[in-house]
Amino acid sequence: QKEVEQNSGPLSVPEGAIASLNCTYSDRGSQSFFWYRQYSGKSPELIMSIYSNGDKEDGRFTAQLNKASQYVSLLIRDSQPSDSATYLCAVSGSARQLTFGSGTQLTVLP
Amino acid sequence: EPEVTQTPSHQVTQMGQEVILRCVPISNHLYFYWYRQILGQKVEFLVSFYNNEISEKSEIFDDQFSVERPDGSNFTLKIRSTKLEDSAMYFCASRAGTGRSTGELFFGEGSRLTVL
Repeated sequence: QKEVEQNSGPLSVPEGAIASLNCTYSDRGSQSFFWYRQYSGKSPELIMSIYSNGDKEDGRFTAQLNKASQYVSLLIRDSQPSDSATYLCAVSGSARQLTFGSGTQLTVLP
Repeated sequence: EPEVTQTPSHQVTQMGQEVILRCVPISNHLYFYWYRQILGQKVEFLVSFYNNEISEKSEIFDDQFSVERPDGSNFTLKIRSTKLEDSAMYFCASRAGTGRSTGELFFGEGSRLTVL
């Protein structure tokens, strides 16, 4: 059973702070890693993908991957109230479909 | 900006009835998916479709489910005899490429199915 685990939260941070979201996965054969954002009642939206160990930055978002530890994280710098959403970690491996975690609910307080 | 469109946005049905959910993927995409999300739970994979056939399916996708691409644009999910536990949001998704981008999906807004 391939598992993707996330802290469910809720995670609250003040506006302007750094939000740190974590994810672990069980399948060592996993090759591709994604962060999706899901606003309440809406569909998932891809915000970051990462394929190699290390950091990948895109604007205020940084994804970090450590395959040895089977760990993926997402940092959101200068958090804004509009970042308030559920963040879904998703992993793709030998079974090419995405396996999603249960999500971490983030609230950015003005 | 191209988008995946789904209809209906909400359907209420009686247990045992057949339901068809429709999706129009992004026009140049080749890979199509159905996922579902029961309220408050994870997004779960149902089925993937490529080159007019199912490429992968999950344990959830049993004989009550079927998918079809009846023409060049639509992609449908049929549930033959709905059960209470089929109540969920059903998301259609599509993607263009191969290789590492297998997880870079574009999701539709979803069809909420309520089975009474």
